[in-house]
Amino acid sequence: DAGITQSPRHKVTETGTPVTLRCHQTENHRYMYWYRQDPGHGLRLIHYSYGVKDTDKGEVSDGYSVSRSKTEDFLLTLESATSSQTSVYFCAISPERGGIETQYFGPGTRLLVL
Amino acid sequence: GQQLNQSPQSMFIQEGEDVSMNCTSSSIFNTWLWYKQDPGEGPVLLIALYKAGELTSNGRLTAQFGITRKDSFLNISASIPSDVGIYFCAGRRSVGGGSNYKLTFGKGTLLTVNP
Repeated sequence: DAGITQSPRHKVTETGTPVTLRCHQTENHRYMYWYRQDPGHGLRLIHYSYGVKDTDKGEVSDGYSVSRSKTEDFLLTLESATSSQTSVYFCAISPERGGIETQYFGPGTRLLVL
Repeated sequence: GQQLNQSPQSMFIQEGEDVSMNCTSSSIFNTWLWYKQDPGEGPVLLIALYKAGELTSNGRLTAQFGITRKDSFLNISASIPSDVGIYFCAGRRSVGGGSNYKLTFGKGTLLTVNP
């Protein structure tokens, strides 16, 4: 398995509270991604990073921000959580070689916003 | 945004049967990936395809990169109960710039295998 961990694995929070999810990798891969997975929608890209301090938006970035201050960590923040952000969040990493021919996924974080 | 049409949405088969699923798009892709996701887990990469017409196997799994570069197929032979899960296709478009970093995913095929 690729060395990817996500924390927390499960979280319950209330509407309006800030939430930060962490993705940590031990592979020294350049690219990191945050996805959310919802029934009927599959995997949708929230934000991605192509290097330290280099990030860009995905297709569902509203309400989310990210930061990458070092290669191994990619943080996803919900500034003010809403019920529509209840989902399973996956982090993925990809090696620099050839760009994104492969992405390896973490175990996921289940977030419930009440 | 780009879409991948994955079919079928679900399959219910008997152990030992062969399975076929596919993804199609109106756009050209230059990489196709197939993932499997078990309940409560993240997707795991099964097969990666990089050239049009490429046929690649991984045990009982065989995937093909369509000649038109707009589709891909995954076949599972002699299914077993542990094949149960959701199978996703993903593709990378052949354009430059920022979109090179991103994959487009199909919505998945839910496979159920009856022992």
